[in-house]
Amino acid sequence: QSALTQPPSASGSPGQSVTISCTGTSSDVGGYNYVSWYQQHPGKAPKLMIYEVSKRPSGVPDRFSGSRSGSTASLAVSGLQAEDEADYYCSSYAASDNFVFGTGTKVTVL
Amino acid sequence: EEQLLESGGGLLQPGGSLRLSCAASGFTFSSHVMRWVRQAPGKGLECISGISVNGDSTNYADSVKGRFTISRDNSKNTLYLQMNSLRAEDTAVYYCAKMTSYAFNIWGQGTMVTVSS
Repeated sequence: QSALTQPPSASGSPGQSVTISCTGTSSDVGGYNYVSWYQQHPGKAPKLMIYEVSKRPSGVPDRFSGSRSGSTASLAVSGLQAEDEADYYCSSYAASDNFVFGTGTKVTVL
Repeated sequence: EEQLLESGGGLLQPGGSLRLSCAASGFTFSSHVMRWVRQAPGKGLECISGISVNGDSTNYADSVKGRFTISRDNSKNTLYLQMNSLRAEDTAVYYCAKMTSYAFNIWGQGTMVTVSS
């Protein structure tokens, strides 16, 4: 199972918005409503930010939103704040009880 | 508060064995699928193994199949990963994770495994 494709980096100024893409295939991102997104600060464990394409767990700010078109999912972060600077990973269910992660995107707040 | 705490990591030589543990608290451990995810230094996340709620179904990534074994003891609220025939490329931080709605919703703090001669 190949990793999902994400851009290596993205950036924005405080208050601006940034969108990260996650491209897979019809066998993963495009085939199931089980895309999730994770935020990881340096030296820390990942944190779930979005599940089932667009749902937010309790406690995650509504500045974070998820969507999908075909085999590409996206994470949008609006009103960028300094604490949003982190690595972000997407993940998708990929049949036969397998999961695949994205290559990761480093978000920089300028 | 839902928590996972990994232990058992360390430094060992190629070909060696190690067993990781993941102690769960704050939730009904026996009701959730559990998984192990690893992250090599400076690299991305890789889901390497999963286990069903009662332990009767397991799966593995090709990179660890035949060498690693996942198991759980619901009476002890503990998840395990037996790692044999370790290779340099197994060097990583190993996280256990609780699954909910096909997402990794709770993660442990991770335990470092270094394989080097």
